[in-house]
Amino acid sequence: NAGVTQTPKFQVLKTGQSMTLQCAQDMNHNSMYWYRQDPGMGLRLIYYSASEGTTDKGEVPNGYNVSRLNKREFSLRLESAAPSQTSVYFCASSARSGTSTDTQYFGPGTRLTVL
Amino acid sequence: GENVEQHPSTLSVQEGDSAVIKCTYSDSASNYFPWYKQELGKRPQLIIDIRSNVGEKKDQRIAVTLNKTAKHFSLHITETQPEDSAVYFCAASRNTGFQKLVFGTGTRLLVSP
Repeated sequence: NAGVTQTPKFQVLKTGQSMTLQCAQDMNHNSMYWYRQDPGMGLRLIYYSASEGTTDKGEVPNGYNVSRLNKREFSLRLESAAPSQTSVYFCASSARSGTSTDTQYFGPGTRLTVL
Repeated sequence: GENVEQHPSTLSVQEGDSAVIKCTYSDSASNYFPWYKQELGKRPQLIIDIRSNVGEKKDQRIAVTLNKTAKHFSLHITETQPEDSAVYFCAASRNTGFQKLVFGTGTRLLVSP
């Protein structure tokens, strides 16, 4: 049982390049999330998926798109990377949808640098 | 929307002392308040949480208190140990039927031997 996994662990992009961050969970969780973490700003929600087949914007969605490929996988795409998207990206999952009081489990993170 | 403020940003204590981290939230409809610990280079991990129908919760050396009237909640760590050194984040989630956590900006706790 690996929990939440993310690939890649590190990535360097040039401005304007595109890439997809991958996330998968093997806990049969319904809900999945993407956060970015910047120094002094905590974790900010980019997009979330309450259940398979649904996605919605979080606090900072501009410049990103997501796909809930199936119940296990939730990807984050940067279509045209900008230096402001340099950050550490965390994927998370929680067991149930339809509740606000569930534990979120985080992946190990992807450290992205945009030059 | 919800806004969560967290203080202090850094906290240094001696081993064995107590540490207290405080958070305030703005949305009176928030009903779930978790605390996450993040060690250097690692993922955030839940250490304790509290729901709005409870005033205090303890788990060994850690405790969380909630004051709904004042809209603030605190993390208390007693008998601190060097392995408690990490960044701690508070968060709040509104009762919308789905969890959308709003995080505080974090507190870096350093426990010196």
